Amino acid sequence: QKEVEQNSGPLSVPEGAIASLNCTYSDRVSQSFFWYRQYSGKSPELIMSIYSNGDKEDGRFTAQLNKASQYVSLLIRDSQPSDSATYLCAVNGASGGSYIPTFGRGTSLIVHP
Amino acid sequence: DAGVTQSPTHLIKTRGQQVTLRCSPISGHKSVSWYQQVLGQGPQFIFQYYEKEERGRGNFPDRFSARQFPNYSSELNVNALLLGDSALYLCASSPLLAGGPDTQYFGPGTRLTVL
Repeated sequence: QKEVEQNSGPLSVPEGAIASLNCTYSDRVSQSFFWYRQYSGKSPELIMSIYSNGDKEDGRFTAQLNKASQYVSLLIRDSQPSDSATYLCAVNGASGGSYIPTFGRGTSLIVHP
Repeated sequence: DAGVTQSPTHLIKTRGQQVTLRCSPISGHKSVSWYQQVLGQGPQFIFQYYEKEERGRGNFPDRFSARQFPNYSSELNVNALLLGDSALYLCASSPLLAGGPDTQYFGPGTRLTVL
């Protein structure tokens, strides 16, 4: 049973601070890792993907992957109130070529002015 | 271009009833995946269909079934509804079978409440 673990939060940070979101996964053969943002009542939207160890930066977002520790994180710099949402970590293993991700339960982020 | 559409938006059923949820993918997309998202949890994969064939199935009971039509739209059926089936049901379409999430687009979801 593949598991993806996230602290449900809420994580509360002041505007302008760095928000750090963490995720661990159980399946060592997992190949690809994703972060989604989900606003309340809306569907998830992909914000970052990472496939190899190290850091990947995209604007204010940085994804970090450590396969040895089975750990992936998302940093949000200069957090804004509009970043307040639930952040879902998703992991995809080798599944016969199909994209069948396993999602964590999500971490609720609150950015207060 | 229109995005992924799902109908109905909201649905209320009672235990033991049956429900059919519908999804229309983005034009040209041949893959449709269904997810169940219970409140406070992440989406859980139910089915993937590609070119009208089932290509993946999650850990759900046989009460859940789906199909894909020649125009690539899809239906998800749930029989003998239980209270625990109350959730947001998400449909996602992709032009590819093996494409990653950067090629997958979610619909707005159908909120199912079972009383």
